[in-house]
Amino acid sequence: GIQVEQSPPDLILQEGANSTLRCNFSDSVNNLQWFHQNPWGQLINLFYIPSGTKQNGRLSATTVATERYSLLYISSSQTTDSGVYFCAVGGNTPLVFGKGTRLSVIA
Amino acid sequence: DSGVTQTPKHLITATGQRVTLRCSPRSGDLSVYWYQQSLDQGLQFLIQYYNGEERAKGNILERFSAQQFPDLHSELNLSSLELGDSALYFCASSQRQGDSNQPQHFGDGTRLSIL
Repeated sequence: GIQVEQSPPDLILQEGANSTLRCNFSDSVNNLQWFHQNPWGQLINLFYIPSGTKQNGRLSATTVATERYSLLYISSSQTTDSGVYFCAVGGNTPLVFGKGTRLSVIA
Repeated sequence: DSGVTQTPKHLITATGQRVTLRCSPRSGDLSVYWYQQSLDQGLQFLIQYYNGEERAKGNILERFSAQQFPDLHSELNLSSLELGDSALYFCASSQRQGDSNQPQHFGDGTRLSIL
């Protein structure tokens, strides 16, 4: 099956800093989603981005499907950005999740 | 708000018991997926239903079963519960069969604790 690797596994940032999270996947996909799991356990859908670039406020994402990776950019980080960020991919199958990047933003 | 409703939010029970988790998909979505998030296994796909029929199976134990009803809500039944079944169970929905070119929308999850 599809393998998904996320890096880094942990990230600590000072408030206001920028960061880039990476997701590598092992096979071609036609579904890629980025999620933020908040401290209450809720999975918040950030982007549906099987290819191309999208932006939503301080967050943006780019997927280069031909090279099998996706990047999530967080700019001017805030303490509310803390949590775990998951990349999930799928072909004609249900989503396969990476292990996530745990982000801690310190005031 | 994703539009996917899961009940209950929390469930505490004992080993050997049986529980039912409920999911109402977003209006218009025909596919329902169940995922389990545990500390040791991460987020794993369990089972998918489309318009009442089972479409895909993942790492679902034989003690677990699910169904999707004519009104499209789904239930996940967990029986003979063990300590290792303690986890966060998510339901997700999407519009059409399969995952081609469409996002999945996740509910807030049911946190199951086995004592």
